Amino acid sequence: VQLVESGGGLVKPGGSLRLSCAASGFSFTNAWMSWVRQAPGKGLEWVGRIKTKAHGGTTDYAAPLRGRFTISRDDSRNMLYLQMNSLNTEDTAVYYCTTVDSSGFYSIDYWGQGTLVTVPS
Amino acid sequence: QSVLTQPPSVSGAPGQRVTISCTGSSSNIGAGHDVHWYQQLPGAAPKLLIYGNNIRPSGVSDRFSGSKSGTSGSLAITGLRAEDEADYYCLSYDNDLSGSGVFGGGTKLTVL
Repeated sequence: VQLVESGGGLVKPGGSLRLSCAASGFSFTNAWMSWVRQAPGKGLEWVGRIKTKAHGGTTDYAAPLRGRFTISRDDSRNMLYLQMNSLNTEDTAVYYCTTVDSSGFYSIDYWGQGTLVTVPS
Repeated sequence: QSVLTQPPSVSGAPGQRVTISCTGSSSNIGAGHDVHWYQQLPGAAPKLLIYGNNIRPSGVSDRFSGSKSGTSGSLAITGLRAEDEADYYCLSYDNDLSGSGVFGGGTKLTVL
């Protein structure tokens, strides 16, 4: 399993950014996926999850992020995306792309190396 | 303030046993959601240690074990080694948050 995030960088407050995650080594079409973030020196924060098309392709988000963040997937390219709008300093974090077990445990199983998003004050 | 409460730090000498608790409520762990545990070494991405409360993925040392009771989960590490020094996080899901995932605040393990 390999998950490679990209798209991070410096973005002005109020700006937008789209993160990408290239997945390989497993059946992406059959995998639930999620994003988790970690602010510098802080703990892990669940961002949101997207189910497979077979499970309706539905998305769930952490309540504080709903409306600003959007998760999508392109199964034809084995790609996961995170669109982030109206960014503020509190969104500064490393963003991890992950797989999610869909067999009933719903554990986050595999993690990418992360991509850093910085929103300066 | 995390929905799941972990002690900020624990410590132990090499060879000892330590436990890390993850205390939730009736809307998450107490509602039947599983507890999962992660280890994050300095500068690295988190790694799955325990899933489904007490199941070790292939390749994880049997020095790590998990349990769940009521509204809490627990991670035990036996035969402490220097390389176990890391941050540990629990994960579950919460019905009051529309089924969103919730992490504990994390516990820093120091091997003395």
